[in-house]
Amino acid sequence: DGGITQSPKYLFRKEGQNVTLSCEQNLNHDAMYWYRQDPGQGLRLIYYSQIVNDFQKGDIAEGYSVSREKKESFPLTVTSAQKNPTAFYLCASRARDSYGYTFGSGTRLTVV
Amino acid sequence: AQSVTQPDIHITVSEGASLELRCNYSYGATPYLFWYVQSPGQGLQLLLKYFSGDTLVQGIKGFEAEFKRSQSSFNLRKPSVHWSDAAEYFCAVESNAGKSTFGDGTTLTVKP
Repeated sequence: DGGITQSPKYLFRKEGQNVTLSCEQNLNHDAMYWYRQDPGQGLRLIYYSQIVNDFQKGDIAEGYSVSREKKESFPLTVTSAQKNPTAFYLCASRARDSYGYTFGSGTRLTVV
Repeated sequence: AQSVTQPDIHITVSEGASLELRCNYSYGATPYLFWYVQSPGQGLQLLLKYFSGDTLVQGIKGFEAEFKRSQSSFNLRKPSVHWSDAAEYFCAVESNAGKSTFGDGTTLTVKP
């Protein structure tokens, strides 16, 4: 079955360390997105990519970086510059001529 | 800039009762509107979407939503709620560029 796989489901890191969250899709979708979700808040866009080798900053890109070397993969790196990285991170994708997202099951990152 | 407001943070209904979750949006052009549902610790699942045409749209799990341009609203309804409907619900508006803005969510509790 097609879908989006985010790994790991839970991630613990020490403060000051960079960490990379994986997002892989086998839906053949062109666009991919990273959102951050904090308790009681909606989703905030970190980065998005419409095509391979191209990506744009979202509303809260500071302290994060991404790459899009393959259509199916869109990893997110949370750097030490991110002031408050503990959150639930969601990856999503969308087909080129469609609307509405397919989401992964998320990665909960805890920085101690 | 596009925005979404969900006025109700938390709603409690009895099983079997009807449900209406409110959503107001701000968008300069014809909006692409969505409702998603999220179970605890999971990603979001698309319930239904509105692009154009009939203002009453049907979705999965017995949900429907009505688009009212004059009120900038897209309220979600269900005639009879089941205990399994307890979750968090997000309204979203998507731009032509494929970027979605989400409301802060409404948590639904279902009483037996």
